[in-house]
Amino acid sequence: KAGVTQTPRYLIKTRGQQVTLSCSPISGHRSVSWYQQTPGQGLQFLFEYFSETQRNKGNFPGRFSGRQFSNSRSEMNVSTLELGDSALYLCASSLPWAGGPFVFGPGTRLLVL
Amino acid sequence: EDQVTQSPEALRLQEGESSSLNCSYTVSGLRGLFWYRQDPGKGPEFLFTLYSAGEEKEKERLKATLTKKESFLHITAPKPEDSATYLCAVQAERGGADGLTFGKGTHLIIQP
Repeated sequence: KAGVTQTPRYLIKTRGQQVTLSCSPISGHRSVSWYQQTPGQGLQFLFEYFSETQRNKGNFPGRFSGRQFSNSRSEMNVSTLELGDSALYLCASSLPWAGGPFVFGPGTRLLVL
Repeated sequence: EDQVTQSPEALRLQEGESSSLNCSYTVSGLRGLFWYRQDPGKGPEFLFTLYSAGEEKEKERLKATLTKKESFLHITAPKPEDSATYLCAVQAERGGADGLTFGKGTHLIIQP
């Protein structure tokens, strides 16, 4: 059974640019959530999607957005990048009902210069 | 606001030396408590989910327990390959599906 895949794995951008990250969940998993991991703040919840609808959102500015497609694949977008957006962005998929378990992908490492 | 505090921040053990990692939490109604293992440069790897106080789960050298205020991850006779950062997270029981609130993790090193 294939795991959660994330593309690209590494990305370098400059301040002010925008970036789009992609996540393909495990087959049959229809819930996809996104997290940001930094050394200082640890893992922080960004948002969660189910059936193409955002069900919940963490405390991040509006520059962070996402969407989910009918095949459950999800993308997240960060506009007007700031240096502080440098982080490991993780995607997790789970079955539709709450309670997990949440299976994480390998992450996308974003460096903003 | 949900909070998760893990201790110690770092732990160095000799191979075979058993120990426990602590995860203290406050949440307005617990839906589930999760333990993950994370190796450098990789995504977290799921270990256990605990749903109610008194519940215990085991996997190889790891055993997780849960009370109403904290969870322990017991590591028995660890091996060098158990070296990793261990993360604890909670999901609150609220309407809709909330994300996980994570602790900062315990960085575990097992020396041969």
